[in-house]
Amino acid sequence: EPEVTQTPSHQVTQMGQEVILRCVPISNHLYFYWYRQILGQKVEFLVSFYNNEISEKSEIFDDQFSVERPDGSNFTLKIRSTKLEDSAMYFCASGEGPGELFFGEGSRLTVL
Amino acid sequence: GEDVEQSLFLSVREGDSSVINCTYTDSSSTYLYWYKQEPGAGLQLLTYIFSNMDMKQDQRLTVLLNKKDKHLSLRIADTQTGDSAIYFCAEYTYSSASKIIFGSGTRLSIRP
Repeated sequence: EPEVTQTPSHQVTQMGQEVILRCVPISNHLYFYWYRQILGQKVEFLVSFYNNEISEKSEIFDDQFSVERPDGSNFTLKIRSTKLEDSAMYFCASGEGPGELFFGEGSRLTVL
Repeated sequence: GEDVEQSLFLSVREGDSSVINCTYTDSSSTYLYWYKQEPGAGLQLLTYIFSNMDMKQDQRLTVLLNKKDKHLSLRIADTQTGDSAIYFCAEYTYSSASKIIFGSGTRLSIRP
């Protein structure tokens, strides 16, 4: 069964460092998303991406965040200068249409 | 605005039915979802229902939608220890454009 895969599963970084989280969405999907979940809290929307551009982003997705689909298969989330409060589980999701999302297992980011 | 509310905890005896409830605010919701998250894992789509449906059944899972009261429930029949997880209610609406909004999640624990 096709699935969304994310790497790394866990990354530990120092505050101020750049981090890139990678996702391989399901191959025929057209809609891509990043969500995050701070430990014990809600799953929060970060950004959606369709047709090679951002379609919507939340207040959390400030100038420190960017997304890219560099090669037609990967979908990356970059955090330019990490802060302690960026520590969270980051989930990538993809869908054929906007209504049905399949999530990856997540990448846990720990900022020290 | 969009908001999805759930109770935080539910404890049931093994073999009993579990009923997890959710309320949402956006009457233009088109899809309503239940996701399951096991400890340390990603978000697994369990089932979803279109807003023009009242009920959907899938093996041990029954989803009921009361659109008038904006109330969604998930019933798990014959609850097993493997059902222990956090269950997230989520909605997709045209007013939220291209994202799904999650509730806070209900932690289901199973008593022997």
